[in-house]
Amino acid sequence: DAGVIQSPRHEVTEMGQEVTLRCKLISGHNSLFWYRQTMMRGLELLIYFNNNVPIDDSGMPEDRFSAKMPNASFSTLKIQPSEPRDSAVYFCASAETGNHNEQFFGPGTRLTVL
Amino acid sequence: SQQGEEDPQALSIQEGENATMNCSYKTSINNLQWYRQNSGRGLVHLILIRSNEREKHSGRLRVTLDTSKKSSSLLITASRAADTASYFCATDHTGANSKLTFGKGITLSVRP
Repeated sequence: DAGVIQSPRHEVTEMGQEVTLRCKLISGHNSLFWYRQTMMRGLELLIYFNNNVPIDDSGMPEDRFSAKMPNASFSTLKIQPSEPRDSAVYFCASAETGNHNEQFFGPGTRLTVL
Repeated sequence: SQQGEEDPQALSIQEGENATMNCSYKTSINNLQWYRQNSGRGLVHLILIRSNEREKHSGRLRVTLDTSKKSSSLLITASRAADTASYFCATDHTGANSKLTFGKGITLSVRP
């Protein structure tokens, strides 16, 4: 298995632009988590899904952020419009519910908003 | 607020020494997990200990759990330079519906 796949690995954009981050889950996993990591705030959970349904989006910073799971194996995190303070590394992780909730992380997307 | 709190925040040791990292949490758990993050990479699961377990081993790793004190420790024995990384504890809380709560992490530096 290739593990959790994220794209792009690096994104540099200008303030005000739309950014879309993508994540492919491990086959058979049914939980999907989006995290943001910065030096100042550490690892923050933004939103997570179970069986394609958003369970908790309380970590989503603002309405500028949205996440979807159009199917069981794929998710997107969109920021529109982006701001410099959104610069961070964004991770997605997948898990098999019931398997002690061990999470498998992707390599992350390093986002820089100028 | 984040439930898992690790200490120390940073640890620097000589290769061959043991490294001990601690984690405390606030509410009851189903299990506690430790993850490692190498620079520029995603987190990798190391070891899981269930709430009814007190100690667990995996290679050079030893994890203990004291539910009465709501604390856990991760011991890495005979450390190597390759163990240099950040280490996070994550708690699977009762009723949390598969969500893990991560601490802020401990930066471990192992000097060759």
